[in-house]
Amino acid sequence: KNEVEQSPQNLTAQEGEFITINCSYSVGISALHWLQQHPGGGIVSLFMLSSGKKKHGRLIATINIQEKHSSLHITASHPRDSAVYICAVTQEANTGNQFYFGTGTSLTVIP
Amino acid sequence: DVKVTQSSRYLVKRTGEKVFLECVQDMDHENMFWYRQDPGLGLRLIYFSYDVKMKEKGDIPEGYSVSREKKERFSLILESASTNQTSMYLCASSLWRGGVNTQYFGPGTRLTVL
Repeated sequence: KNEVEQSPQNLTAQEGEFITINCSYSVGISALHWLQQHPGGGIVSLFMLSSGKKKHGRLIATINIQEKHSSLHITASHPRDSAVYICAVTQEANTGNQFYFGTGTSLTVIP
Repeated sequence: DVKVTQSSRYLVKRTGEKVFLECVQDMDHENMFWYRQDPGLGLRLIYFSYDVKMKEKGDIPEGYSVSREKKERFSLILESASTNQTSMYLCASSLWRGGVNTQYFGPGTRLTVL
């Protein structure tokens, strides 16, 4: 069973397009994370959310706790946004230290 | 800044060899993790450790063991490497802060077993 589901798996966009990546989860969480992984392997954290919405530059992340759903939006996409975007959740406190990961969305932005 | 380093970026080994992957973090984190990442499967937890000399099996521990003799260092051991262990291996460390657990990842080791 997958505690975290992401869609789409692959996404190709033209430069300048608005992009949305979706994440649904099935466990009680203390936080949801959006991670970015560029070719070469390194993973960096973009956002950590427990409610509402966060914005950083052209990236916006939202979460709906009742619906157990989060979205990552990229406005005015650029080829340097090409990467794998991973949704991850941490369980509610006192239920362990584990993270659950989605399988990732591979984004390619074409000039 | 938190730094998590891994001993190698790329590694090529032969079937049957014993393989050591090392991970070091410099922020005094209690929790450390080893994952493997395969296309279409995402990150899968192999083992994690929440303290020195403590370890817990993750989702796919078969064929692997770990060692945590010092707080900053978490080693993943493939006792007898097999071709199905060809993968990207990612180490992470984490801390609880404000009721939330945040993970920091190393750069990854791409292991090829021939």
